[in-house]
Amino acid sequence: EAAVTQSPRNKVAVTGGKVTLSCNQTNNHNNMYWYRQDTGHGLRLIHYSYGAGSTEKGDIPDGYKASRPSQENFSLILELATPSQTSVYFCASGDVDRGYAEQFFGPGTRLTVL
Amino acid sequence: GDSVTQTEGQVALSEEDFLTIHCNYSASGYPALFWYVQYPGEGPQFLFRASRDKEKGSSRGFEATYNKETTSFHLQKASVQESDSAVYYCALGVNVGDNSKLIWGLGTSLVVNP
Repeated sequence: EAAVTQSPRNKVAVTGGKVTLSCNQTNNHNNMYWYRQDTGHGLRLIHYSYGAGSTEKGDIPDGYKASRPSQENFSLILELATPSQTSVYFCASGDVDRGYAEQFFGPGTRLTVL
Repeated sequence: GDSVTQTEGQVALSEEDFLTIHCNYSASGYPALFWYVQYPGEGPQFLFRASRDKEKGSSRGFEATYNKETTSFHLQKASVQESDSAVYYCALGVNVGDNSKLIWGLGTSLVVNP
């Protein structure tokens, strides 16, 4: 069954450290997305990608980088983690369908920055 | 800009009650409208979508009708069960060039008491 997986599922990091969150999809979708979810803010788009080698800034990209080395993999990188980046992060994939395509989500990564 | 408003932050019901969660949008043209559901500890799951005026989307007993005049896409279910307790998100599909992204409401937490 097609799926989106994320690793790690839980991560504790120190302030100033580097954190890499990984996402893999077997849906063969061109589009992939990184969101964070916080109480009172819902889902906010950080970065997205339309295919291998491409990354685009979402609505809240500051403090985050993204990398899409292949169709299947999309990483979110926090070069210098801060406590304000403590959150639950979701990766999603979706087909190219001009606004009509549903997105398929992974199970999330809970990140705590101390 | 494009936006989605969910009026209720939390809804508390008893089993077999009728559910309505309100969703209003602001966008030009005929964007696709979506409902997603998120159970505790999981990523959001696609529930259904509609993409033209008066179209009804439905799944698992939930339904919503696209209303261009009132710019609404309200989620309804005739008789809720305890297992329907979850967070429900309304979303709007927007085109970005030849690709797409979703604009999300803040979510409505549904608690169904036995």
